[in-house]
Amino acid sequence: ETGVTQSPTHLIKTRGQQVTLRCSSQSGHNTVSWYQQALGQGPQFIFQYYREEENGRGNFPPRFSGLQFPNYSSELNVNALELDDSALYLCASSPTAGSTEAFFGQGTRLTVV
Amino acid sequence: QQQVKQSPQSLIVQKGGIPIINCAYENTAFDYFPWYQQFPGKGPALLIAIRPDVSEKKEGRFTISFNKSAKQFSLHIMDSQPGDSATYFCAARLSGTYKYIFGTGTRLKVLA
Repeated sequence: ETGVTQSPTHLIKTRGQQVTLRCSSQSGHNTVSWYQQALGQGPQFIFQYYREEENGRGNFPPRFSGLQFPNYSSELNVNALELDDSALYLCASSPTAGSTEAFFGQGTRLTVV
Repeated sequence: QQQVKQSPQSLIVQKGGIPIINCAYENTAFDYFPWYQQFPGKGPALLIAIRPDVSEKKEGRFTISFNKSAKQFSLHIMDSQPGDSATYFCAARLSGTYKYIFGTGTRLKVLA
């Protein structure tokens, strides 16, 4: 176990709705990244947060947004859901700056219908 | 280019065989190359990783070979077991960030 927990594990939403996914980082980790993994594909980087600030972003539209809280837990918000947003959403936490490891949670399986 | 190309897409070996998974990259701004193992319904788990100044790293039955000039790296699994059946992803980290670029994955099946 990596100590990174995500909730919920599964979620079904309707196109156009909004969704919030949550991640609890491993203790002592101040960096969290979010990834989208479509079926049969590798994870795609969405964005990263370091000490509550967005610190890098991949090729995802602004309707994908996030938050990191003082306790380093994190949220991923997706507005105006589209069918193509159906995927496994993974968060990964990393120790303090300088570390190279990223530890992934089990993910949230989002289905948009 | 920020792509990492991974092959083969799938692989079947007999128990005890040595599956080899290959990855290639173009961007020289990568500074760390991990391999992840993913079982169905689970998140990726870090297996082994290498930096570009090292040509080979071995941990247990897993070995990474790294060819910096060719911009290629590969994973070898010695004495493979049915429990190794999973999807394997190579990845590369952009220097100075925590942004990882993943390959498309290799589905490995080890027959008993």
